[in-house]
Amino acid sequence: SYVLTQPPSVSVAPGQTASIMCGANNIESKSVHWYQQKPGQAPVLVVYDDTDRPSVIPERFSGSNSGNTATLTISGVEAGDEADYYCQVWDTNTDHGVFGGGTKLTVL
Amino acid sequence: EVQLVESGGALVQPGGSLRLSCAGSEFTLSSYEMHWVRQAPGEGLEWVSYISRTTTIYYADSVKGRFTISRDNAKNSLFLQMNSLRADDTAVYYCAREGDCAGNGCLDVWGKGTTVTVSS
Repeated sequence: SYVLTQPPSVSVAPGQTASIMCGANNIESKSVHWYQQKPGQAPVLVVYDDTDRPSVIPERFSGSNSGNTATLTISGVEAGDEADYYCQVWDTNTDHGVFGGGTKLTVL
Repeated sequence: EVQLVESGGALVQPGGSLRLSCAGSEFTLSSYEMHWVRQAPGEGLEWVSYISRTTTIYYADSVKGRFTISRDNAKNSLFLQMNSLRADDTAVYYCAREGDCAGNGCLDVWGKGTTVTVSS
């Protein structure tokens, strides 16, 4: 099965840039989607198809995908960005959805 | 406002059954692929099942043979029939709509979830 690997935690000071990685074999061949989940709430789609952003999501959120690593980048981090972030792909070999283990973003 | 509302979660004994429902509003559910995703207490997200507009269906290995996804277009609703429940099925269950993305599987609308607890 296809496995997505994320760091358990990332910490960043307000106003700085946070980068959250999602690693997998040849992940660049897949479209990666990213979700933000705050405590007690449902996930929210923040980036889809590697780099696209829903219209309601601030431009501070961006994504990239190359080689074996996809990255969610949050510029000018705010306290309200503190949340768990999950990467996700659709594995066409198995026709299964796959989520990464999640990364807890802490704003110092 | 486009939204999904799940219901049917409960406390159930191991080996029991439960049927979850997900009602869509302000959009036509039959026009979208739909998914169920679950989250065990303190854990990450786990994809559970998918149903296409033409009722192509896929399941995670952990639930295949025990869970059944279905949809009722007349009721604008999605369902998940869960049989032979085990303790490790304990989770918040979310229904989610697949958005218009090139790569498949991007979930642009989520319900708030319904809690299933499997315990004796």
